[in-house]
Amino acid sequence: DTAVSQTPKYLVTQMGNDKSIKCEQNLGHDTMYWYKQDSKKFLKIMFSYNNKELIINETVPNRFSPKSPDKAHLNLHINSLELGDSAVYFCASSQGGGTKNIQYFGAGTRLSVL
Amino acid sequence: AQSVTQPDIHITVSEGASLELRCNYSYGATPYLFWYVQSPGQGLQLLLKYFSGDTLVQGIKGFEAEFKRSQSSFNLRKPSVHWSDAAEYFCAVGGLTGGGNKLTFGTGTQLKVEL
Repeated sequence: DTAVSQTPKYLVTQMGNDKSIKCEQNLGHDTMYWYKQDSKKFLKIMFSYNNKELIINETVPNRFSPKSPDKAHLNLHINSLELGDSAVYFCASSQGGGTKNIQYFGAGTRLSVL
Repeated sequence: AQSVTQPDIHITVSEGASLELRCNYSYGATPYLFWYVQSPGQGLQLLLKYFSGDTLVQGIKGFEAEFKRSQSSFNLRKPSVHWSDAAEYFCAVGGLTGGGNKLTFGTGTQLKVEL
C-alpha cells in the first residue's frame, strides 16, 4: 500500500486550461503539504493543511487553490495554467509540527504546460 | 528566516569511496534537521533526522550525519558509496517557529557514482 499517493503521475495540458491534482495519504497523519519542484530541483512549500485547516500559505498565485475534504486528502486545483507552472508537484504528509514534522512524500506529478 | 545552503551542486565519487555532502543552515531557534534522498522520477525519502541529543545520527542505507551547532552544519557522510546511492540529496531545516510545520529545503546535491 502506497503511503502517500498522487494522481495523475503525468499531466500535459495547454495554457489557459484548468487542472487538478489529487493526493491521498493512508498514514493517519493530521498534516498535509503541497510542494513545487522547479526544473533546477529547487523544492518550495506552497500550502499546508492541518485537520482540513489551512496553516501555511506561501506566496503562491491565487490561481492555485488547495482543497482538503478530509484530513486524508489534499487536492490542488490550478486555474488558467501558465507556462511557468510547468514543474513537478509533490504532496507530503506528517503527524504534525515540531518533532512530529517528519514528512513523507508522494512520487510527484509532473505537469507540463504547452 | 530559515534557510539551507548546500554548497555542492554536483559531486562525483568512485564506488567504494567515502562521501561527505555539506549542509549549512540558518535558523533562529533550535533547529530540527533532515536529510532526504530523491532517486530519478521518485519522491523524497527520509534518510535521517536530528532533533536533539547525540549529535551524530545514524540513518538508513548506511548514512550518518553530524550536527555541529558552532558551524551551523549538518553534513551527511557514508564510509563506502554504492552505485545505487546515485541520486539527488536534500538537506532541510525545521523547528518550532511558527507552529513548527515548515521545512525549508536546500537546493540539493546531485551525486554521481563512478563504477
